[in-house]
Amino acid sequence: QSALTQPRSVSGSPGQSVAISCTGTSSDIGGYDYISWYQQHPGKAPKLIIFDVNERPSGVPDRFSGSKSGNTASLTISGLQADDEADYYCCSYAGSPRVFGTGTRVTVL
Amino acid sequence: QVQLVQSGPEVKKPGASLKVSCKASGYTFTSNGISWVRQAPGEGLQWMGWISTHKGNTNYAQKFLGRVTVTKDTSTRTVYMELRSLRSDDTAVYYCARDRHYTFDFWGQGTLVTVAS
Repeated sequence: QSALTQPRSVSGSPGQSVAISCTGTSSDIGGYDYISWYQQHPGKAPKLIIFDVNERPSGVPDRFSGSKSGNTASLTISGLQADDEADYYCCSYAGSPRVFGTGTRVTVL
Repeated sequence: QVQLVQSGPEVKKPGASLKVSCKASGYTFTSNGISWVRQAPGEGLQWMGWISTHKGNTNYAQKFLGRVTVTKDTSTRTVYMELRSLRSDDTAVYYCARDRHYTFDFWGQGTLVTVAS
C-alpha cells in the first residue's frame, strides 16, 4: 500500500487561508469516505482534527474544514494562526489497512 | 477522560524483539479497536496494524506481516505490540491510538524505540 501524496510544505500569513491536498487512488480515498486529518506539533503525538472527510471533533475550531473530490482529499485552514504551524497528515481507510499521507509542513509567515 | 498510556523507552540490539504496551482508561475498552502507528526520526506516520478489543481479530500492514503481533488483555485493558527481528530502521516512536470507525481519535504519548548495536 503506497502512501498518499501530500505537498511537502505550504505557507501563509496570519489571517490567510491555506489548503493541503492529499492524493490517493480509487482503492483508498476514492473508494471510501473514511478520510481523516491529523495535526502534529514537534515532539508531540498527532491530534485528530477532521474525520469522515469533513467532520470536526468537539473542540476543533471551524477554521479547519475538509473535503473530497474523486481520489483527492483536501484540508483547508482559514484565518491562519501562529499555533497552526505544524505538520499535517491525511489518512484513508483502504479496504482493511489504513494508509497515511506523506505529510505537509505548514509554516505561518 | 479517554487515556492511552504506553510503556517507556526501549533500547534494543539488532535481531532482538520488542514488546510495547498500551493501557486504556476512561471508556469501554471493548467498544473500539486499537491501532499501532510508528514514526521514524524526521519521517511521516506509518500504520502498522489493528486489533479488535472485542473479538481479538487483527489486521496488519503488508510491510510488517510475519514480524508483528498485536494482542490484548481485556482484564487489564492493555494492548501489546510485539515486533521481532529488529533492524536499525525500526528505530522510531511507536504510538497506539484508539481506532474508532477507521479514525484515530485518541493517541498514546508514544514510545521511543532505539535499535543499535
